[in-house]
Amino acid sequence: DQQVKQNSPSLSVQEGRISILNCDYTNSMFDYFLWYKKYPAEGPTFLISISSIKDKNEDGRFTVFLNKSAKHLSLHIVPSQPGDSAVYFCAASGEDDKIIFGKGTRLHILP
Amino acid sequence: DTGVSQDPRHKITKRGQNVTFRCDPISEHNRLYWYRQTLGQGPEFLTYFQNEAQLEKSRLLSDRFSAERPKGSFSTLEIQRTEQGDSAMYLCASSLGIYDRAKTNEKLFFGSGTQLSVL
Repeated sequence: DQQVKQNSPSLSVQEGRISILNCDYTNSMFDYFLWYKKYPAEGPTFLISISSIKDKNEDGRFTVFLNKSAKHLSLHIVPSQPGDSAVYFCAASGEDDKIIFGKGTRLHILP
Repeated sequence: DTGVSQDPRHKITKRGQNVTFRCDPISEHNRLYWYRQTLGQGPEFLTYFQNEAQLEKSRLLSDRFSAERPKGSFSTLEIQRTEQGDSAMYLCASSLGIYDRAKTNEKLFFGSGTQLSVL
């Protein structure tokens, strides 16, 4: 039972354009959401997070939007750069702080 | 380097053998997590600790898996009688574990993982 779903296994975006990665969740008890980036042969690295008391959080080129009623969040990367090519994981946790990950979306930035 | 350290980076073993992995978290972090990742999947939760106390163990884990964090610092994950299906990347992560409604500190920092291959 996937509590965190990333329905797009891969996404290709032209360099300089906006990349939008989507994530849906089913557990209404989740109150904290995170995005991680992973390169091959490395552990995931933290990108950005958002608490359920907010609907937007911005950090440089990265913005996360949260729509609690739709149980949906998205990560926007503007402008996309070649170094952004990686696998992106959406994750969520509730009061127990057990962090659950989605299956990931592979982002390809095209020159 | 004061990041999360995992040892070994790679482990090849024969089916039926026991293996043990070690994780050294960031020193001031109270929470320690173990995840397993297979190709094309996201990190799958295995278990986590608050200091030396194991808070939860995934129902997906068989009794062949055991994890300890005896002094609330480093942790070990042991797999007994390994099977080919255990082949995966085993990831350790740590966090401050300070809970507040904004959860501004609740970030997981991952190690590079231990790649297990069971032949």
